[in-house]
Amino acid sequence: DAKTTQPPSMDCAEGRAANLPCNHSTISGNEYVYWYRQIHSQGPQYIIHGLKNNETNEMASLIITEDRKSSTLILPHATLRDTAVYYCIVENNFNKFYFGSGTKLNVKP
Amino acid sequence: GAGVSQSPSNKVTEKGKDVELRCDPISGHTALYWYRQSLGQGLEFLIYFQGNSAPDKSGLPSDRFSAERTGGSVSTLTIQRTQQEDSAVYLCASSLDYQSTDTQYFGPGTRLTVL
Repeated sequence: DAKTTQPPSMDCAEGRAANLPCNHSTISGNEYVYWYRQIHSQGPQYIIHGLKNNETNEMASLIITEDRKSSTLILPHATLRDTAVYYCIVENNFNKFYFGSGTKLNVKP
Repeated sequence: GAGVSQSPSNKVTEKGKDVELRCDPISGHTALYWYRQSLGQGLEFLIYFQGNSAPDKSGLPSDRFSAERTGGSVSTLTIQRTQQEDSAVYLCASSLDYQSTDTQYFGPGTRLTVL
């Protein structure tokens, strides 16, 4: 299984871009990269996912390096409501779908 | 439309008692997943269902844990002889199908406290 490594916490100023890194050096060719976030006391919320191409949706952008060993989630204009724990997950077998501890993003005014 | 719902939202029980946690997935979703989140920890995968079948139960923490799904819809996670270390938030998710590209939609969770 491809495990992920994320910094435990990050700060970001409101209105600025938040760039959340994730290392997944053991990723396999058919494994996707997923990002979820969990706002305090709520269930996880899907953000975005990708295989090898960069992806963008209304919430965020996902940049995956060419060797696929790392990725970055970009929130282009962070707001206070984006304060949450962000999970990077790499797995194609839900038998062992593990979130890890994530990155606590603190968006500050 | 309606999302994933779970009940109860909170459950306090005494050590040694059995508890049942319920999950109602999004209508039409064939895949259903159970996770738990202990205080300060990341999410831990427990079990998934494809239809009414759970192909792999190895993620369940012990034989006190069991889960079933009937009619391809509602699922119940049962914990027998609860222990204090079972205290956690139990999250259920569903997806359209059991494919790695299918987004999982999560319910609000059940907070279980074992005294």
